[in-house]
Amino acid sequence: EVQLVESGGGLVKPGGSLRLSCAASGFTFSRYNMNWVRQAPGKGLEWVSSISYSSTYIYYTDSVKGRFTISRDNAKSSLFLQMNSLRAEDTAVYYCVRTYDSTGYYGGYWGQGALVTVSS
Amino acid sequence: SYVLTQPPSVSVAPGRTASITCGGNNIGSIGVHWYQQKPGQAPILVIYYDTDRPSGIPERFSGSKSGNMATLTISRVEARDEADYYCQVWDSTNDHHWVFGGGTKLTVL
Repeated sequence: EVQLVESGGGLVKPGGSLRLSCAASGFTFSRYNMNWVRQAPGKGLEWVSSISYSSTYIYYTDSVKGRFTISRDNAKSSLFLQMNSLRAEDTAVYYCVRTYDSTGYYGGYWGQGALVTVSS
Repeated sequence: SYVLTQPPSVSVAPGRTASITCGGNNIGSIGVHWYQQKPGQAPILVIYYDTDRPSGIPERFSGSKSGNMATLTISRVEARDEADYYCQVWDSTNDHHWVFGGGTKLTVL
């Protein structure tokens, strides 16, 4: 069974930093592209970042470029999101998402999410 | 950037058919994927590549496309289908972004 468990969320002041982690199990992590998708309170889904299975290709939504860094450790089946210079508008539940297949075009499996609150 | 448009809400009586639309420019040429999200839960993939259903998703869920519109159809709607539904595409022209529609709240009357 595919399992994705996020951790590292919490309350942080504007301008601060936070590192999210996602522990994956139940599949061969190194074979799949991974993503972060967020959802602000009461709002819709917003894709944040993608990383290919070998970390060769990395993409970000424009609003987080230069502030967030996605990475992975295939040996430890883990995905990370380093978030710097956090803003109030980054407040959201952050989901770790595995692509359904090898194409990387859509999300097949989602974690339960980690809440990040940016507030003074 | 690419924009997907969904109606904010759709209401349907139990046992009837619900149709949720997703509009986008030239959407006929790209794969459309659909997610169901219930309150306090993570999204679940219900349709991928326009019409395919992941294992475990009831046959009552189906997808289609015509012109600049994709449609998620839920037949014989049940109370447990009440949820938010999101369409999504992969925008190869914009740095490989995933693009989500704004979401549609399905209310079962």
